[in-house]
Amino acid sequence: SQELEQSPQSLIVQEGKNLTINCTSSKTLYGLYWYKQKYGEGLIFLMMLQKGGEEKSHEKITAKLDEKKQQSSLHITASQPSHAGIYLCGALGYNQGGKLIFGQGTELSVKP
Amino acid sequence: DGGITQSPKYLFRKEGQNVTLSCEQNLNHDAMYWYRQDPGQGLRLIYYSQIVNDFQKGDIAEGYSVSREKKESFPLTVTSAQKNPTAFYLCASRNASGGTGELFFGEGSRLTVL
Repeated sequence: SQELEQSPQSLIVQEGKNLTINCTSSKTLYGLYWYKQKYGEGLIFLMMLQKGGEEKSHEKITAKLDEKKQQSSLHITASQPSHAGIYLCGALGYNQGGKLIFGQGTELSVKP
Repeated sequence: DGGITQSPKYLFRKEGQNVTLSCEQNLNHDAMYWYRQDPGQGLRLIYYSQIVNDFQKGDIAEGYSVSREKKESFPLTVTSAQKNPTAFYLCASRNASGGTGELFFGEGSRLTVL
């Protein structure tokens, strides 16, 4: 079955610094979703990538999907305390009948 | 407003008791999902349903049961067979036939078994 591996598992950065979170799939992705979660709450949708080489940005967050559609990265520029939380990648695989799985998450802390 | 409602938000139960978590959506989505989240971990898929009266096991279905009798409702029962039921449970739905198809999540239900 398909698995998603995120790295790093946790990250502490100084405010204003850039950072990158990676998500690697064991199989080709049909769709890759990035979410943010505050502890004990539901998930907030950030972006969805579907085409190989696709890149999307929202405010200071940029996500990319590689050409082979097996790896995605999430990049935050000039981090702020409001960026703190848990970032999760989720994916639909080909011929998986709508099964949508998630990575184990990356916990981000931003020091003021 | 459209969205997903989970209830209860917090639930305490004694060991050996079955518990049912409610999930209702008014987004007219065909697909609904249940995930479990443990501290410091990501989401693990319990069950999902693509259409009314049909559902599939996810990666950790043992000890859980679901039903999908109505499009807007997808209740999850945590049975006494689930060995470690204390966790945060998240319900979600998505429009599988159009748009970006992202999941819309409820606020979660935190179950504690004493």
